Amino acid sequence: GQNIDQPTEMTATEGAIVQINCTYQTSGFNGLFWYQQHAGEAPTFLSYNVLDGLEEKGRFSSFLSRSKGYSYLLLKELQMKDSASYLCAVREGETGANNLFFGTGTRLTVIP
Amino acid sequence: DTAVSQTPKYLVTQMGNDKSIKCEQNLGHDTMYWYKQDSKKFLKIMFSYNNKELIINETVPNRFSPKSPDKAHLNLHINSLELGDSAVYFCASSQGLQKAHQPQHFGDGTRLSIL
Repeated sequence: GQNIDQPTEMTATEGAIVQINCTYQTSGFNGLFWYQQHAGEAPTFLSYNVLDGLEEKGRFSSFLSRSKGYSYLLLKELQMKDSASYLCAVREGETGANNLFFGTGTRLTVIP
Repeated sequence: DTAVSQTPKYLVTQMGNDKSIKCEQNLGHDTMYWYKQDSKKFLKIMFSYNNKELIINETVPNRFSPKSPDKAHLNLHINSLELGDSAVYFCASSQGLQKAHQPQHFGDGTRLSIL
């Protein structure tokens, strides 16, 4: 089975840096995705990690430690439009179906 | 040129009715999915199909019956709707089982409300 934990809510200031953590326990880890979801919209892909380390993509970076079952999403130079839910999703590989199992998401509010 | 499109966007109906949601992707992907997002925003996989074949049914009641006429379409039919079925249903697609590093692309969701 899968057990994925994220903080429910976070607040940060425009221009600042925020780190959103995700811990997971899964029976067959095969990659971790981060998605952004604005209210009333579809989730959109942000980043993917399958090996340990940091992946950087502009203002967003994602880190993975497989031995610790831990990932974080780092958002730099926060903008008001970054207010959204951030979903951590683990892909399990045992069934071969590439199914994603999502955490409950972290709702980030960026304040001026 | 919407990549993953779902219809309808909103669906309001009474308990006990039968309804369908349609999904189409024009990305040339082999794998399609249905997810349910409840009022607490928890997104949960329901089904996945690869090249029109069912791969996974994640303990979904058999009132829910997906159908894939071709690999670009995955429709969801729901019989005898219940109050607990009220949620947002998202369709998604990805390149295929052998390209697991590729992300899933989501449709805009269908907001189902049961009266």
